[in-house]
Amino acid sequence: GIQVEQSPPDLILQEGANSTLRCNFSDSVNNLQWFHQNPWGQLINLFYIPSGTKQNGRLSATTVATERYSLLYISSSQTTDSGVYFCAVETQGGSEKLVFGKGTKLTVNP
Amino acid sequence: EAQVTQNPRYLITVTGKKLTVTCSQNMNHEYMSWYRQDPGLGLRQIYYSMNVEVTDKGDVPEGYKVSRKEKRNFPLILESPSPNQTSLYFCASRSRDWGYQETQYFGPGTRLLVL
Repeated sequence: GIQVEQSPPDLILQEGANSTLRCNFSDSVNNLQWFHQNPWGQLINLFYIPSGTKQNGRLSATTVATERYSLLYISSSQTTDSGVYFCAVETQGGSEKLVFGKGTKLTVNP
Repeated sequence: EAQVTQNPRYLITVTGKKLTVTCSQNMNHEYMSWYRQDPGLGLRQIYYSMNVEVTDKGDVPEGYKVSRKEKRNFPLILESPSPNQTSLYFCASRSRDWGYQETQYFGPGTRLLVL
């Protein structure tokens, strides 16, 4: 099956710093999403981005489908950005299943 | 407000005592699924449903059952829970028409501890 690798596994920042999280996937995808899991365990959808670039406030994401990777940018990080960021993909062929990466654990210190 | 609800949010039970975790969505989505999240293993799909009365196994279906009698509800049933089913469970739903950039919506999660 498709492999989804995220890097780095852990990231510690000072408030105000910028960061880039990476997601590599091993096969063509229909769907790619980025999620934030907050410290209470809730999964929050950030972007649906199978290709191209999107921005939402301090967050933006870019997926280069032909090269099989996606990047999530966090600018001017805040303590509330802490948590785990997951990339999830659905392969072409309609498996109807999201395959998740292992996540990047982000800690933003005040 | 569009949402996926799960109940209970927290549950402690004992081995072998049947339990049901309910899931309901108010977005008229055709597709619903269940995932479990375990440390070091990420989220893995248990079962999914394309529509009413249509269900299929995901990656880790052993020990679980599901049913889809109504479009809005997709309960997860553990007939005889075991300690290795201790996990964080998520229900998710989405429209089947990906063309409208539909995303998967996740419920708040259910933390299950099986003693």
